[in-house]
Amino acid sequence: AQTVTQSQPEMSVQEAETVTLSCTYDTSENNYYLFWYKQPPSRQMILVIRQEAYKQQNATENRFSVNFQKAAKSFSLKISDSQLGDTAMYFCAYSHNFGNEKLTFGTGTRLTIIP
Amino acid sequence: DAMVIQNPRYQVTQFGKPVTLSCSQTLNHNVMYWYQQKSSQAPKLLFHYYDKDFNNEADTPDNFQSRRPNTSFCFLDIRSPGLGDAAMYLCATSSPAEGGETQYFGPGTRLLVL
Repeated sequence: AQTVTQSQPEMSVQEAETVTLSCTYDTSENNYYLFWYKQPPSRQMILVIRQEAYKQQNATENRFSVNFQKAAKSFSLKISDSQLGDTAMYFCAYSHNFGNEKLTFGTGTRLTIIP
Repeated sequence: DAMVIQNPRYQVTQFGKPVTLSCSQTLNHNVMYWYQQKSSQAPKLLFHYYDKDFNNEADTPDNFQSRRPNTSFCFLDIRSPGLGDAAMYLCATSSPAEGGETQYFGPGTRLLVL
């Protein structure tokens, strides 16, 4: 079974600084998707970024980028120029297949941006 | 804007009193999911529908049921809520036609059991 591990339960960083959240996963599959979801205090889960395992290039979305190391099964999220609105719970998630495959979530990292 | 809507946002029920949570979507997605998220924990999938095909997770208690009368709506029924069922319930959707791998979440319904 697939597992996703986030080893940092809580992190905090000063506004405008860069922060990296860690995620490792375990799978025997070769094709899969990895995601970072953000859940702000209002609690609506929002997709931040996603990575297809067959792509070597790391995904980027504005201030958010990932470091995907397939051999090491590592998938970290870097947030540059952090903003107060980045304060949230961040979940790393894995999905094996297309369509109706479930997401397997990590336990989350609570990130606080300090003014 | 296309979205996933959940009603109510907060629900209070009594121990053992049946309760229904609703989810609707304007995304026209084939797949709808129900997750249970307890405080400070990761969401846990209860079940999902692919069109009308119902897929139950092996460890979902029988106390939890679901209905999907049409593409747009999906309901979560808790037949006899216990104190341990107090949680946030998240609805999500996805579409194989759009790749299918990304799920779009609603704002959730927070259930309190007294």
